[in-house]
Amino acid sequence: NAGVTQTPKFQVLKTGQSMTLQCAQDMNHNSMYWYRQDPGMGLRLIYYSASEGTTDKGEVPNGYNVSRLNKREFSLRLESAAPSQTSVYFCASRALAGLGEQYFGPGTRLTVT
Amino acid sequence: GQQLNQSPQSMFIQEGEDVSMNCTSSSIFNTWLWYKQEPGEGPVLLIALYKAGELTSNGRLTAQFGITRKDSFLNISASIPSDVGIYFCAGLNYGGSQGNLIFGKGTKLSVKP
Repeated sequence: NAGVTQTPKFQVLKTGQSMTLQCAQDMNHNSMYWYRQDPGMGLRLIYYSASEGTTDKGEVPNGYNVSRLNKREFSLRLESAAPSQTSVYFCASRALAGLGEQYFGPGTRLTVT
Repeated sequence: GQQLNQSPQSMFIQEGEDVSMNCTSSSIFNTWLWYKQEPGEGPVLLIALYKAGELTSNGRLTAQFGITRKDSFLNISASIPSDVGIYFCAGLNYGGSQGNLIFGKGTKLSVKP
């Protein structure tokens, strides 16, 4: 039981390049989340998926898109990376939206030059 | 939007000392979660609280859900060097924002051997 896994662990992009961050959970959770963490800003919600087949914007969605591929997987895409998207990205999951404990993955450290 | 005030922002203590940190909000929460994040890792759930007044322990950690439902505290007894990290509180209001967690900005704990 691996919990929440994320790939890649590290990534360097040039401005304008695109990439997809992958997340998977094996806890049969319905809800999944993408956060970014920046110094002094704490954890900010980018997008979430309350259940399979639904996605919604969080606090800072601009420049990102998401796909809930199936119940296990929730990907985050940067179509045209910008230096302001340099951050650490965390995926998380919870059994049900609005209820209970939330578990995080190990993070993806992204640098955009 | 909802905000959590977490204090102190940082603590530098001697090994063996007890530690106390807290979170307060102007809003009522139905769940309080406490996380620890070590350098280069994702947040790890330490304690979950579901009822006002609830006091829960996890080894040397004790957390309480405030009676007013607007605050929570975390105590660490007899600190050791491996307690080093950033501790986050998170509150959940079932009725707001699809039940998304609101995070404090963290308390950075340093322990001197």
